[in-house]
This record gives sequence, C-alpha cells and structure tokens, in this order.
Amino acid sequence: SQQGEEDPQALSIQEGENATMNCSYKTSINNLQWYRQNSGRGLVHLILIRSNEREKHSGRLRVTLDTSKKSSSLLITASRAADTASYFCATGGGGTSYGKLTFGQGTILTVHP
Amino acid sequence: KAGVTQTPRYLIKTRGQQVTLSCSPISGHRSVSWYQQTPGQGLQFLFEYFSETQRNKGNFPGRFSGRQFSNSRSEMNVSTLELGDSALYLCASSLPSRETQYFGPGTRLLVL
Repeated sequence: SQQGEEDPQALSIQEGENATMNCSYKTSINNLQWYRQNSGRGLVHLILIRSNEREKHSGRLRVTLDTSKKSSSLLITASRAADTASYFCATGGGGTSYGKLTFGQGTILTVHP
Repeated sequence: KAGVTQTPRYLIKTRGQQVTLSCSPISGHRSVSWYQQTPGQGLQFLFEYFSETQRNKGNFPGRFSGRQFSNSRSEMNVSTLELGDSALYLCASSLPSRETQYFGPGTRLLVL
C-alpha cells in the first residue's frame, strides 16, 4: 500500500518556470526522501529531509517538511527540459524499516522547451 | 564506483513459467531491496536482504522469493507467472541502516 498521496498527479510547465509538488503521508516518520525517475528507468535519489528539519536546499531543489500536517513539498526552481521525469516521495528505509521504502504515487512533470 | 546493475534488462515469459532476476549492488553495500512497479499499484516493496538474511518482506504471495549471496549479490525468483506479474522490477542497495537507496535500471518483465 502507498504511504500517501502526491499532487498534482501531472504537472506541465515551460522552461524557466518553477515546479512545486506535494506529498502527504500517513504515519509518523524519521525522514522523508524525494526520488526522480526518468521514463521507466531506475530511481535517482534527490534529497533527504529529517523529521526535525523544516526546510532543506540542494542546488535548484528546495524541500519543506511539515510534520504537524504530515506533508512535504518539493520545489524545483528555473526548470529545464531535462527535469522532465516522475518524482516520488518516500518514507522509511533506515533503522527498523529494514530496507523498506514506502512511496507515494508520484507526480509526472513535463517541462516544455 | 560502479552503480547497481540488474540483469536481464528485458524479459518476456509466458504464464506458468518461472523467472529469475539478478541484482549486483554497489561495492560495499550489503543491504539489497527489491520493488515491483506497475501503473496500477505504483512502487511496492517486495523484500530486503542483508548479510544473506531476509529481514523484511512486503505483502506479496509466496510465488515471489529471493536470496542473497555472500558477495551481496541478490536474486529474486517468481514462480508460476501470472499476467499481473508484468512489471518493472527494481533493485536497490544501501549501506546498513542508511535510509538512502541506490537503484538499478530495473528489469522489465512481460508475461504473455
């Protein structure tokens, strides 16, 4: 079963615009991660935010976490055509999760040149 | 370091057959997890192996099994294939107790 919902399910923007994706989860967490998947290939880890952090940056990525609302958002600034991919949030993985990541349904991002 | 590799990349089988997929983790990574990805169910956790022991298992029938070898390479096996087993099977490796996983390119299985 999925951990939660991501919205929007699909997002279409022009190059240079910002893209914001949201993720909600159901249970308490120690951390939340975001992954990217290009066209049915393997997933690539983007960023991890811990439950005691509210915001984290990595290059053009900004992630926020609101544990009171059980939600996270991923912002990609100044989008490029190469950012076209599916983006997934995931919880778990370490400690007693024993290798189990629980993923959201994902957001399909299309960036038009 | 070389990334996670999976073989084969594509596979076509017929119902009732069995299949074995292979995964070689990043050197030094002893934890290997397997996931099934389908359009309907999304990404679902199958199982995780560490030091040749299955530590965690998802909600899949017993037709899905796996193992890990002493060099951390892992295989998963699906017996008596069903049409619904058509999916992208992803393997991921990580350092012990670390949350971040590194994924292979996946094996796309089509069951006819």
